[in-house]
Amino acid sequence: NAGVTQTPKFRVLKTGQSMTLLCAQDMNHEYMYWYRQDPGMGLRLIHYSVGEGTTAKGEVPDGYNVSRLKKQNFLLGLESAAPSQTSVYFCASSILAGASTFYNEQFFGPGTRLTVL
Amino acid sequence: AQSVSQHNHHVILSEAASLELGCNYSYGGTVNLFWYVQYPGQHLQLLLKYFSGDPLVKGIKGFEAEFIKSKFSFNLRKPSVQWSDTAEYFCAVNPPNDYKLSFGAGTTVTVRA
Repeated sequence: NAGVTQTPKFRVLKTGQSMTLLCAQDMNHEYMYWYRQDPGMGLRLIHYSVGEGTTAKGEVPDGYNVSRLKKQNFLLGLESAAPSQTSVYFCASSILAGASTFYNEQFFGPGTRLTVL
Repeated sequence: AQSVSQHNHHVILSEAASLELGCNYSYGGTVNLFWYVQYPGQHLQLLLKYFSGDPLVKGIKGFEAEFIKSKFSFNLRKPSVQWSDTAEYFCAVNPPNDYKLSFGAGTTVTVRA
């Protein structure tokens, strides 16, 4: 049981280049999330998904796109990278626990450190 | 705006000192509360969580947190820190009927031997 994995671990891009970050989870979780972590700002939600084939915008979605074609995978795309997107990106997943209350305990991946020059 | 506030940006302690990190939130209604820890170069790990019941929650590695509903607070404590507790600590709140977590800005804790 690997939990949440992310690919790649590190990447350096030039401004304007594109890339896709892959998140995979083997816990059969319904919900998946992409965050970015910047110094002094905590984690900010980029996009999230409440199930296969569904995605929604989070707090800072501009410049990013996502897809959830399979339940276990959640992809984050940067179509035209900008230096402001230099950050550490974390993926997380969670499951509804409890019959009537949503217990959103999230499990995090190891992160991807992205530098945009 | 709804938010999660962590009062201390950076805390420096000596080993065996006591630690208390403050967390306040501004959401109304029933919330779920979490403390996560991020050791240098690693991903976030759950320290403890509060969903309901006893407001004093015990987590891993000797940490505990107290939920005070009237103060909208969820402060983290450890009676005696170790050098290995050097890390960044994040408070997170799951607002009512929401899939998302809102994180505080984090507190960096440095424990000196």
